[in-house]
Amino acid sequence: DAKTTQPNSMESNEEEPVHLPCNHSTISGTDYIHWYRQLPSQGPEYVIHGLTSNVNNRMASLAIAEDRKSSTLILHRATLRDAAVYYCILRDNTGGFKTIFGAGTRLFVKA
Amino acid sequence: SAVISQKPSRDICQRGTSLTIQCQVDSQVTMMFWYRQQPGQSLTLIATANQGSEATYESGFVIDKFPISRPNLTFSTLTVSNMSPEDSSIYLCSVEDRGRGPYGYTFGSGTRLTVV
Repeated sequence: DAKTTQPNSMESNEEEPVHLPCNHSTISGTDYIHWYRQLPSQGPEYVIHGLTSNVNNRMASLAIAEDRKSSTLILHRATLRDAAVYYCILRDNTGGFKTIFGAGTRLFVKA
Repeated sequence: SAVISQKPSRDICQRGTSLTIQCQVDSQVTMMFWYRQQPGQSLTLIATANQGSEATYESGFVIDKFPISRPNLTFSTLTVSNMSPEDSSIYLCSVEDRGRGPYGYTFGSGTRLTVV
């Protein structure tokens, strides 16, 4: 799997939008971009995924750069429950279906 | 999407003993994955477990220390053997879950192990 780079931490105010960036300059044409988050004392949970086009779901939006070398996870209105570590991961089947996690971004949300 | 039940959720164990962690999935899956998360760190893949074959271990992890069983398509166990305080971590299982998109995953809630 190609490598991703994320900021170690970010801070947001409650009820404001949050943009979490991810760089993946070595992404291949078959790599899907997945985002997971890990709340305190829980296992990682799926947030969103995309390939080329921007994606929206009930949790978040994913904006993918035209060259696919970067992406941004957007939380439209951060809540205290969104405080977590967010992982950006590239996935395809060439890695034997295993997932390698980077350090992720720890999001702090202030009331 | 798959639902995973992982047991125990936490345990405190004496050094030199072993702990077996169970992972039960509500649907049949080909591959199951075991991860370790040391305090304050990201997840590290321990091994991939396919039903009917030996688990494939990542560099730095060996079968004698982390034996894995995969008796059927919905169940797996990971044993942490001859434990030392350095084994204190969260252990997680995960499965490929097509409900999470191509090559997506679902994770168990983890087992928090403390070795004293």
